[in-house]
Amino acid sequence: GQQLNQSPQSMFIQEGEDVSMNCTSSSIFNTWLWYKQDPGEGPVLLIALYKAGELTSNGRLTAQFGITRKDSFLNISASIPSDVGIYFCAALIQGAQKLVFGQGTRLTINP
Amino acid sequence: GAGVSQSPSNKVTEKGKDVELRCDPISGHTALYWYRQSLGQGLEFLIYFQGNSAPDKSGLPSDRFSAERTGGSVSTLTIQRTQQEDSAVYLCASSLRSGERGTQYFGPGTRLLVL
Repeated sequence: GQQLNQSPQSMFIQEGEDVSMNCTSSSIFNTWLWYKQDPGEGPVLLIALYKAGELTSNGRLTAQFGITRKDSFLNISASIPSDVGIYFCAALIQGAQKLVFGQGTRLTINP
Repeated sequence: GAGVSQSPSNKVTEKGKDVELRCDPISGHTALYWYRQSLGQGLEFLIYFQGNSAPDKSGLPSDRFSAERTGGSVSTLTIQRTQQEDSAVYLCASSLRSGERGTQYFGPGTRLLVL
């Protein structure tokens, strides 16, 4: 089945640094999504991408839908303590309703 | 409530027992999804309901797993004869509509531990 390869698995950064993570797949998708999950909570949608090449920002977050439709990246600028958590990419197969998820990137910020 | 709610938040059970997990979607959302998240892993699709259509059960791992959605709203995920490998967080999501623009909103999950 379709799989998303998300990297890195974990990141340890200093407050104020920029962060970059990405997801790749051998399959083509029509929608890419980025979620953040805090401990004990369900994932919360950060950014949704619907067109190849689309670049979308949400505050300090920027995400892009790859031209090949097989990848996406998420950047976080000027990280702050509340950015700590696990970030998941997810993608929707054309004509299907279920999301495929990456394995997650755990972000830790050193004060 | 404003969001997706799930109950119980935590469930500890003995191997071989049946469990029922409940999901209350956002009012008016026609699509409802169940996912499973094992420790340190991403989410794994289990089942999807859309209106009165037959559910997509393609993600259910075995016939011990079943789900129903009554009246197009509340859903129950049932696991019969639980096994230790069933231990995971079970997440429910709902969306206003299905398809590519149907943003899925997740509940907080039910943490299931099978001893």
